[in-house]
Amino acid sequence: QMQLQQWGAGLLKPSETLSLTCAIYGGSFSGYYWSWIRQPPGKGLEWIGEIHHSDGTNYNPSLKSRVTISVDTSKNQLSLKLSSVTAADTAVYYCARRAGGLEDYWGQGTLVTVSS
Amino acid sequence: EIVLTQSPATLSLSPGERATLSCRASQSISNYLAWYQQKAGQAPRPLIYDATNRATGIPARFSGSGSGTDFTLTISSLEPADFAVYYCQQRSNWPLTFGQGTRLEIK
Repeated sequence: QMQLQQWGAGLLKPSETLSLTCAIYGGSFSGYYWSWIRQPPGKGLEWIGEIHHSDGTNYNPSLKSRVTISVDTSKNQLSLKLSSVTAADTAVYYCARRAGGLEDYWGQGTLVTVSS
Repeated sequence: EIVLTQSPATLSLSPGERATLSCRASQSISNYLAWYQQKAGQAPRPLIYDATNRATGIPARFSGSGSGTDFTLTISSLEPADFAVYYCQQRSNWPLTFGQGTRLEIK
């Protein structure tokens, strides 16, 4: 059974860079899209972007100038970096695998709070 | 960007009743629509993909229908565990987008 385990700094100051890692256990990176999705407290889901081993990356235009999604295949790890954060970036961040038509495996979520 | 509009925002029903949740796309997305269930403090759980296909392990009381711009998630007979927030998601065009959610609450 595949599992996604996330970690990263939970408290940032404005203008800092958010950095999260998602480790893939019991599965392979190849052949799938891997997404980052976030959810502000009490609000809905927002797709941040995705990476595929051969198709590259796609980002939400609303975040594109600040986002980098990458993968370390040797460690089976996915990462997210979001620069110049503000309070509006406070959210629970999820990594997820997309297989076929939906995100079928999700990480446990990481709450990132941006506060001075 | 494709906008998904879910209705109603909140649906109040009793266990055993039938739930019908709607998701409307701002333009045609063929059948590239998924549904998720989310409970407080948990990651979303995949329910339906490509509009009509149940994800692995999803009970038969959950069904999806629709194509183009209008989609429906139906729960045939509500069980206590079904009361949650439901989101639709499209993958027809980048950026992928989600609806704002429908909260299904116990009446």
